[in-house]
Amino acid sequence: DAGVIQSPRHEVTEMGQEVTLRCKPISGHDYLFWYRQTMMRGLELLIYFNNNVPIDDSGMPEDRFSAKMPNASFSTLKIQPSEPRDSAVYFCASSWTSGAAGEQFFGPGTRLTVL
Amino acid sequence: AQSVTQLGSHVSVSEGALVLLRCNYSSSVPPYLFWYVQYPNQGLQLLLKYTTGATLVKGINGFEAEFKKSETSFHLTKPSAHMSDAAEYFCAASTVDFGNEKLTFGTGTRLTIIP
Repeated sequence: DAGVIQSPRHEVTEMGQEVTLRCKPISGHDYLFWYRQTMMRGLELLIYFNNNVPIDDSGMPEDRFSAKMPNASFSTLKIQPSEPRDSAVYFCASSWTSGAAGEQFFGPGTRLTVL
Repeated sequence: AQSVTQLGSHVSVSEGALVLLRCNYSSSVPPYLFWYVQYPNQGLQLLLKYTTGATLVKGINGFEAEFKKSETSFHLTKPSAHMSDAAEYFCAASTVDFGNEKLTFGTGTRLTIIP
């Protein structure tokens, strides 16, 4: 398996623009997680899905952020409109279980810069 | 709520010396515990995990960690550091929040190896 695939790897955009980050989880994994990593706040869980259904979105910072998982092999994280403080590395991860005993497999991340 | 504390955001050791990275968790109920490693410009990958059973857990690349319930600790060690061990290390604990399980990460420890 190719592992968790994220695109793009780097994104530079201007404030106010819409940004869409994409993730393809490992085939057969039931859970998908979106994380954000910054120097100030470390690694934060934004939202996670089980069988394509959002389970916990309490980490989504505000209404400008939205995530979807239309099918088992694809998820998007959208920021509209983007702001400079959204600059971070965004990781997608997938697992067979939600994490209690299972390993989460991380993608390489998308480095987002909002100017 | 569960919290994970990593003592020391930066640790430097000489090549060949012992590596000790500290992690404490807050739960009164022992959670499942994990150590992840992040190499530059990459996602996180699992080093090792503790679920139940033997309290000394061995992982990849010669790392091991010992679960100590009395100290609520899960410190990571490696007898002899190698230059390739330079990376950021994250301790994580599983939590159950309103019936949903997820991982809570520590803030990370950056390990530098001195030649």
